[in-house]
Amino acid sequence: DVKVTQSSRYLVKRTGEKVFLECVQDMDHENMFWYRQDPGLGLRLIYFSYDVKMKEKGDIPEGYSVSREKKERFSLILESASTNQTSMYLCASRMAGGGQETQYFGPGTRLLVL
Amino acid sequence: RKEVEQDPGPFNVPEGATVAFNCTYSNSASQSFFWYRQDCRKEPKLLMSVYSSGNEDGRFTAQLNRASQYISLLIRDSKLSDSATYLCVVRGSTLGRLYFGRGTQLTVWP
Repeated sequence: DVKVTQSSRYLVKRTGEKVFLECVQDMDHENMFWYRQDPGLGLRLIYFSYDVKMKEKGDIPEGYSVSREKKERFSLILESASTNQTSMYLCASRMAGGGQETQYFGPGTRLLVL
Repeated sequence: RKEVEQDPGPFNVPEGATVAFNCTYSNSASQSFFWYRQDCRKEPKLLMSVYSSGNEDGRFTAQLNRASQYISLLIRDSKLSDSATYLCVVRGSTLGRLYFGRGTQLTVWP
């Protein structure tokens, strides 16, 4: 069974703090993704990575950066947390390919920025 | 314009009812199509892929109309456990990223 794990289920940070969200997958997937999910806005893609050390901006990359030093790990960094980054953050991974590959999500991290 | 549009609902139906969800997508070059299900405070999970010829999985039937750029999901004989948010998902042509609709909320009541 594919497993995607995220370092924290709940996180409380203060404005201006640097925040690291870690995601690890155990199925040797090439593609990894970071989303945020807010009520009424749905899932929005922040960044994705299709291979080690590769990254692509999603739809809302501002205020975020990412790191993919190892295939199994994809980190999301909030350089200076702000209250509008309070959200549910979901990591996902998927095998590379051109068809019906399933994208698997982690359980999510609920981040509150005070 | 959003890549994937779907009616957010909510849909409130009694057990045993048949309910249908629709969504439209904007990019005619989209390659693959899916329905995901998300339970309250949980992560999204794949419900089923959607094939051009239409496909069925038990009480669930998915249809794709490429000419109209339209995807549907039909749930027959609704169960209480079907209560969830259903996400319409389209795979784009750029690096294969997925585009998610905002989701349609379904509540099945006894």
